Amino acid sequence: GAGVSQSPSNKVTEKGKDVELRCDPISGHTALYWYRQRLGQGLEFLIYFQGNSAPDKSGLPSDRFSAERTGESVSTLTIQRTQQEDSAVYLCASSLSGDLRNEQFFGPGTRLTVL
Amino acid sequence: QKEVEQDPGPLSVPEGAIVSLNCTYSNSAFQYFMWYRQYSRKGPELLMYTYSSGNKEDGRFTAQVDKSSKYISLFIRDSQPSDSATYLCAMSLGGFYGNNRLAFGKGNQVVVIP
Repeated sequence: GAGVSQSPSNKVTEKGKDVELRCDPISGHTALYWYRQRLGQGLEFLIYFQGNSAPDKSGLPSDRFSAERTGESVSTLTIQRTQQEDSAVYLCASSLSGDLRNEQFFGPGTRLTVL
Repeated sequence: QKEVEQDPGPLSVPEGAIVSLNCTYSNSAFQYFMWYRQYSRKGPELLMYTYSSGNKEDGRFTAQVDKSSKYISLFIRDSQPSDSATYLCAMSLGGFYGNNRLAFGKGNQVVVIP
């Protein structure tokens, strides 16, 4: 079956512009995570969605970052007034709720470059 | 102190050599320990998964966890050029529900030279 998909694969934007990144999780996966991977750094947790529960936003680095998820499907990550330090690969992952092992399946990521 | 430490230095080995990677961590509540493999321009894919302390072997790959030392390792035997990738250690608190966010190390880029 289809894996996690993300779009766009690459995004180049100018400092100060807003960007929207999209994630389509695996069908049936109720848990969805966003991570950020900056050059030379490990993946950093950003936000977690589980079904219709309130998201865990504890990893968002500033109020310029926000995310939404429609039910148990598509999620969008929005970065307002982008800064150069926002340049990174943004990865989305989904997993089955109730999976003790919590295997997270990752998409290919969106490579964001802020000029 | 970061939750997970992984010396991010690149590693070049000749084909057939043993590759040894390791991570240390600070949060003693972590229960689930994973190694992800990430090819260039791709998302990470789960390679090995271990619960609590112990060893796990899968083909040429062996994962070890020592919770008393807060230290995990990955060994790749008879390394192949196709093993060339970045290897990321990751860990989580686990549990059936709730935020099981993964805490990652920085990753090691491994190059296996034919």
